[in-house]
Amino acid sequence: ILNVEQSPQSLHVQEGDSTNFTCSFPSSNFYALHWYRWETAKSPEALFVMTLNGDEKKKGRISATLNTKEGYSYLYIKGSQPEDSATYLCALTDDYKLSFGAGTTVTVRA
Amino acid sequence: NAGVTQTPKFRILKIGQSMTLQCTQDMNHNYMYWYRQDPGMGLKLIYYSVGAGITDKGEVPNGYNVSRSTTEDFPLRLELAAPSQTSVYFCASRGGSNYGYTFGSGTRLTVV
Repeated sequence: ILNVEQSPQSLHVQEGDSTNFTCSFPSSNFYALHWYRWETAKSPEALFVMTLNGDEKKKGRISATLNTKEGYSYLYIKGSQPEDSATYLCALTDDYKLSFGAGTTVTVRA
Repeated sequence: NAGVTQTPKFRILKIGQSMTLQCTQDMNHNYMYWYRQDPGMGLKLIYYSVGAGITDKGEVPNGYNVSRSTTEDFPLRLELAAPSQTSVYFCASRGGSNYGYTFGSGTRLTVV
């Protein structure tokens, strides 16, 4: 089981503000990192799969960066909207299975 | 394209009863997974399969069994339900290494 930590556990953001949060993981034997978006009463939805140190991926107003040498990834939300309210999960894979962090729950206030 | 289909969506079991959670995918994915979600604990891997006829334990396999007789189906069996198995169960599948998982809609199970 791969140890994945996410911080903060939750955060509140005013609509229109930008925010970011962290996923930390062991830097040794890195294979790939996943980000998922999980809305209440739905199932997790894949955002990004990141494999290379220095990777930067973007999907609309959401982007992510990866530093495999120091063992962290940041997820950024630019200009938060109420529909961005969700739990964002980070997960580490050894190519066979994912180990998930506990998630960061984002609440965007109008 | 249905993706990953889980049934049932909800179920209440009495302690000691047995049941099977069904999972089917139509994407011809080799890799399939069962996770449970406990409040504040994130998703914990129960069992996974890398192809038909091959299964392996995850982080929390006790009290569960799986089989993978076809590429499409990956049922999860609870033999003697216990209150500790009250949870939301998610089945997932994936294609290649650089692809994210596709999750089913979940099964909410309560054991009383």
